[in-house]
Amino acid sequence: ETVLTQSPGTLSLSPGERATLSCRASQSVRSSYFAWYQQKPGQAPRLLIYGTSSRATGIPDRFSGSGSGTDFTLTISRLEPEDFAVYYCQQHDNSWTFGQGTKVEIK
Amino acid sequence: QVTLRESGPALVKPTQTLTLTCTFSGFSLNTRAMCVSWIRQPPGKALEWLARIDWDDDKYYSPSLKTRLTVSKDTSKNQVVLTMTNMDPVDTATYFCARTPTGGPFDIWGQGTMVTVSS
Repeated sequence: ETVLTQSPGTLSLSPGERATLSCRASQSVRSSYFAWYQQKPGQAPRLLIYGTSSRATGIPDRFSGSGSGTDFTLTISRLEPEDFAVYYCQQHDNSWTFGQGTKVEIK
Repeated sequence: QVTLRESGPALVKPTQTLTLTCTFSGFSLNTRAMCVSWIRQPPGKALEWLARIDWDDDKYYSPSLKTRLTVSKDTSKNQVVLTMTNMDPVDTATYFCARTPTGGPFDIWGQGTMVTVSS
C-alpha cells in the first residue's frame, strides 16, 4: 500500500497569498493516478485536480497541480476567501489511499 | 446531472453489521468502465478508502478491512450496497460513496451519512 504524507499539516496564510501544498508518496505513483481534493467543514470532498495536473470541471485556474514519481504539489496562486479548507492528496496507482490532509487557514 | 446519496442507520451497536446503500442517478453501472467506491472519514480525521465495485462486478477492498466488507450492486435500482460486519466504536465515521471511472479519481461524491457505533 502506498502511504501519502502531506506537508505542512496546517498552512496559515492571508487572502491573496500563494499556497503551496506538498504530498510525498512512499513509492512511485504514475502521474495519471494522482489527485487532489478540497473539503470544507460539513461537506463532502470535491475533486480539484486529477492526473496530477488536470483541473476538474469548474475548478478555477488559480489551482494548479504538478509533480511526478513520489513528490507532488498543489499550488493556489492567490487565495480567495472560499479557498480556506482542508486539502487531501490521493493516489489510485496501487490500491487507493489518501494523505492525512493539509488545513489552509486564515492568518 | 450526476448525484449520489448514501442512506442507512445513524446508530449501530458494537458487534452488529452495518448496511449502507448508495443510490445514484445520472450514470449507469451497466456502462463499461464505470465504478462506485465507498470512503469513510472519522470525526476530525482523514479520508479512508474502503471498497469499489465495477460495472463488470469486479470488487476491490481495503486490505485492512477486507474480511469485514462486502460490496454489491443492483443495477436495476441504481444502487450499491456496502455491508461491514462486527462494528466497533472506532468505525464511527461519515461514510461516503463516490463515482469512480476506471483508472480515474473519485469525481462525484455523495453528501455522506454519519454512523455512530455505541451501545
